[in-house]
Amino acid sequence: DVKVTQSSRYLVKRTGEKVFLECVQDMDHENMFWYRQDPGLGLRLIYFSYDVKMKEKGDIPEGYSVSREKKERFSLILESASTNQTSMYLCASVPLAGGAGELFFGEGSRLTVL
Amino acid sequence: QKEVEQDPGPLSVPEGAIVSLNCTYSNSAFQYFMWYRQYSRKGPELLMYTYSSGNKEDGRFTAQVDKSSKYISLFIRDSQPSDSATYLCAGVLTGFQKLVFGTGTRLLVSP
Repeated sequence: DVKVTQSSRYLVKRTGEKVFLECVQDMDHENMFWYRQDPGLGLRLIYFSYDVKMKEKGDIPEGYSVSREKKERFSLILESASTNQTSMYLCASVPLAGGAGELFFGEGSRLTVL
Repeated sequence: QKEVEQDPGPLSVPEGAIVSLNCTYSNSAFQYFMWYRQYSRKGPELLMYTYSSGNKEDGRFTAQVDKSSKYISLFIRDSQPSDSATYLCAGVLTGFQKLVFGTGTRLLVSP
């Protein structure tokens, strides 16, 4: 089974802190994604990456950056956390030649910024 | 206007009922559509997908797309309490496999 692992399930941070959210997938997928999920807004794409060291902005990249140094690992970085970044963050991966957009999601990282 | 619209619910039904979950979309570039199920405190998992027109059946689940009215549906037959979850529809833009999600509909199936 494909596994997408998000290392931190629950985090509490203070405003202004730098936050790293880590995601690792074990199926050699080329594409990886970071979404945030908020009530009433659904899943919104923050960034995605289709190869090592490559990244593309999604719909809401402001306040975030990403890093993909290895194929299996995709990190989301909040340089200076703010309260409006309190959310559920979901990482996902899909093979480049995969079926119809079958994203495999991690369990999510719930971030609270105080 | 959001590209994919979905009623947030909750939708409450008794066990055994037929459930209809619906989405509308505005982007004609979507080439196929996905339905994901998300249990509380878990990540979404793929239920099924359909191309831009037609039906697809998988066990108790049927996904339907009406391209002319830009309407997509998921039907669940003989609903079970274990079907209680949030159901997310998504349109897919091929290339980088970008999915655009609806907000999700919360379904509650009571025993």
